[in-house]
Amino acid sequence: NAGVTQTPKFQVLKTGQSMTLQCAQDMNHEYMSWYRQDPGMGLRLIHYSVGAGITDQGEVPNGYNVSRSTTEDFPLRLLSAAPSQTSVYFCASSSVSGGAHEQYFGPGTRLTVT
Amino acid sequence: RKEVEQDPGPFNVPEGATVAFNCTYSNSASQSFFWYRQDCRKEPKLLMSVYSSGNEDGRFTAQLNRASQYISLLIRDSKLSDSATYLCVGTSGNTPLVFGKGTRLSVIA
Repeated sequence: NAGVTQTPKFQVLKTGQSMTLQCAQDMNHEYMSWYRQDPGMGLRLIHYSVGAGITDQGEVPNGYNVSRSTTEDFPLRLLSAAPSQTSVYFCASSSVSGGAHEQYFGPGTRLTVT
Repeated sequence: RKEVEQDPGPFNVPEGATVAFNCTYSNSASQSFFWYRQDCRKEPKLLMSVYSSGNEDGRFTAQLNRASQYISLLIRDSKLSDSATYLCVGTSGNTPLVFGKGTRLSVIA
């Protein structure tokens, strides 16, 4: 199993550009989520999904879109990048069964917006 | 007020020391708690779950105090390799996890 994979590992964007951060998992997990991590702010939830076709907003959803057309993939789209979106982005997945919430994280995407 | 709060540290301790972190939570409906470990520039990884009866795994002990709404992590005989940021997490049922900001530990030779 590859676990949770994220691409790209690093990305530099100019203000106003759009892009998609890719996330895939091969563990057949129902629950997937996106976090951003900034110094001193900890992990903040952007969007999450409890299954294919279902998404919901987290704590900081503005400026981001998600979709979940398959169980395996959960891409995060930045619509019009802003310097405030410079961050490390982590995708995570877990099996929603019996309240178990061990989250498996991808290696992260380091995004810089200039 | 954030739902899960931690002392950010850093905690600087010598090798072999015992160190303890606390994490308070504000949502009394929270049912499940976890400690995650995050190394510098890496992703978080589950360290251990926290049960009402306590949970011990080698040098690590996690406790839950529902009356005072806090969880704790005790590390005995600290190793250099324990240096990391420790994140506490709470959740209620299948609601999204809420992470604390993390406590940074540096174990010094």
